[in-house]
Amino acid sequence: GENVEQHPSTLSVQEGDSAVIKCTYSDSASNYFPWYKQELGKRPQLIIDIRSNVGEKKDQRIAVTLNKTAKHFSLHITETQPEDSAVYFCAAVIVGYGQNFVFGPGTRLSVLP
Amino acid sequence: GAGVSQSPSNKVTEKGKDVELRCDPISGHTALYWYRQRLGQGLEFLIYFQGNSAPDKSGLPSDRFSAERTGESVSTLTIQRTQQEDSAVYLCASSLVAGGPHEQYFGPGTRLTVT
Repeated sequence: GENVEQHPSTLSVQEGDSAVIKCTYSDSASNYFPWYKQELGKRPQLIIDIRSNVGEKKDQRIAVTLNKTAKHFSLHITETQPEDSAVYFCAAVIVGYGQNFVFGPGTRLSVLP
Repeated sequence: GAGVSQSPSNKVTEKGKDVELRCDPISGHTALYWYRQRLGQGLEFLIYFQGNSAPDKSGLPSDRFSAERTGESVSTLTIQRTQQEDSAVYLCASSLVAGGPHEQYFGPGTRLTVT
């Protein structure tokens, strides 16, 4: 089955700097890659996603890149702010009837003021 | 509109007791997922429903865990003979339909503590 690895497990950056989180997946059939943000004590929420027919997607300060050949995708946050501090989860999905989301273990991002 | 709701929000139970956790998905969402999240850990997939059928039960950790769903609405996750290692937050999520890349909307979770 699908296996998703995520690095780093923790990341500290200074406010205003960029943060990059990388995920690798094992099943080449995966074709949808969402990123969820979970603030302390709250539920995960989708922040951005990308489909396998696209190499990059951007939404304001957040971007995701996908390399299908290498089977990895990355989340990029620019001009980080303290409210970006949270745990970020990537997931790989084989879109179809059995839409099972396989999540990575998460990255705890701390943005230092 | 209303989001995904779960009940109870917190449950403390003694080892060996059975517990039942409830999830009310967003109305009209046909796909429903259960996850377990231990303290400081990631999301562990348990089971997925499409309508009231469960195509993927591979994540259930043992035969003490079971889940059912009535139509395309409420789902219950039952843990029998609870063990201390069952202590975790149990998250439910729903999405519009299967067969396409749709956002999962998560509920607030049920925090289960087994003493």
